[in-house]
Order: sequence, then C-alpha cells, then structure tokens
Amino acid sequence: QVQLVQSGGDVVQPGRSLRLSCAASGFTFSSYAMHWVRQAPGKGLEWVAVISYDGSNKLYADSVRGRFTISRDNSKNTVYLQMNSLRGEDTAVYYCARGPVRGFYYFDYWGQGTLVTVSS
Amino acid sequence: DIQMTQSPSTLSASVGDRVTITCRASQSFSSWLAWYQQKPGKAPKLLIYKASSLESGVPSRFSGSGSGTEYTLTISSLQPDDLATYYCQHYNSYSVFGQGTKLEIK
Repeated sequence: QVQLVQSGGDVVQPGRSLRLSCAASGFTFSSYAMHWVRQAPGKGLEWVAVISYDGSNKLYADSVRGRFTISRDNSKNTVYLQMNSLRGEDTAVYYCARGPVRGFYYFDYWGQGTLVTVSS
Repeated sequence: DIQMTQSPSTLSASVGDRVTITCRASQSFSSWLAWYQQKPGKAPKLLIYKASSLESGVPSRFSGSGSGTEYTLTISSLQPDDLATYYCQHYNSYSVFGQGTKLEIK
C-alpha cells in the first residue's frame, strides 16, 4: 500500500533553516510528481511546492520562493523540503503529497504531516 | 488569480441527513475541482477529483457535481464518521483551496 512517512519537523528560531523529509513506499516513486502542502494552526491548506517525477522541474508558491527548495532522491524514494530564512508565518503542519496525474496539482496520497514551529 | 469560496463555513446536521457543501469560483473553469475530507489531527483525504469522479475506496454516499463557477459536494446520508472539515480545491498546474467547511454532527 502507498505510504508517505515524514520526518524533520522541529521548533526553530526565525532566520534559521530546517529540512523536511518524506519517504515513500508502495508505488513507483520515480513516476510521480511530489508536492508539499502546509496548514497553519487552525487555518486552511496552502500548496507550497512541486517537483516533477525526475526532478527536472520545480515550482514554488510566491510565499516561499527564494527561501525554500524542493528536491528528491529517486534512489532513496524520498522527497525533501529545505526551508531557509524561516519566518513566523511559516509555522504550520507540512504535508508531502503525491500528484497522481502529471501537470495537475491535486493529491491522492498524503503523509502524516510534520509540525514546524518558528519562534524565538 | 482564481479564488475559491466555500459555503457554509460551518454546518450542523443529523445522522441520515442529506448534506450539500458549495464551492464558488471567482472565474469559470473546466471541472478541475477536487474535494478533500480532513478529520481532526489527520491529513486530508481525497474524495472527489475532476468535479465528479469518486476516488477509489471512497463511500458512494459522497458525490460531486458542478461546472463553471459553482461546484457541490453532497453526502447522501450523513454518517457519524463524516465529522470533518471539507475543502474544495481548484487545480491545474497550480492549486487553490477553499477556506473549508466544518461539518458537525447534531
């Protein structure tokens, strides 16, 4: 069965960095785009970033562009989100999610979520 | 940019009721609309994609419809397990979520 297992959430100070990981299993990871979606406490869902199946294309939400970097290692079935210059407004539960259809940003499987808290 | 507005924001209904949640878009688009269910403390779960296609494994009491700027999620007979917040999402090579509808069981 498809599983996405996340790690890396933590409490960090503003301006610092953090890397999230999402390990996939149960499907051919290298065939699917992968996304990150976040949810601030008590708020709705916000798409953050996408990486194509082979890592050649990456897109970001305006709110994180230039600070966050999405990457993947298809040999390890893992997608990453490197978050730099963190701000208080980045505080959220971050989810990795699979994009089932190339070019369309909807998500059929989600990780369990990992909490990132940015606070001094 | 397209904006998605869900109504109502909160909904209280009884077991067995027929429930409808509406999602309105600021601009018309062609059926690229998904619905998700998020239970407290859990990740969202895909229910419907392409406006009316039921995701595999999702109970048939869930259905989606609509076109243009107005889309609906219907639960034909509300069950206790349906307590959740529901989100619509317009997608293409981008993603825009509605603000969510919290469904409470009376």
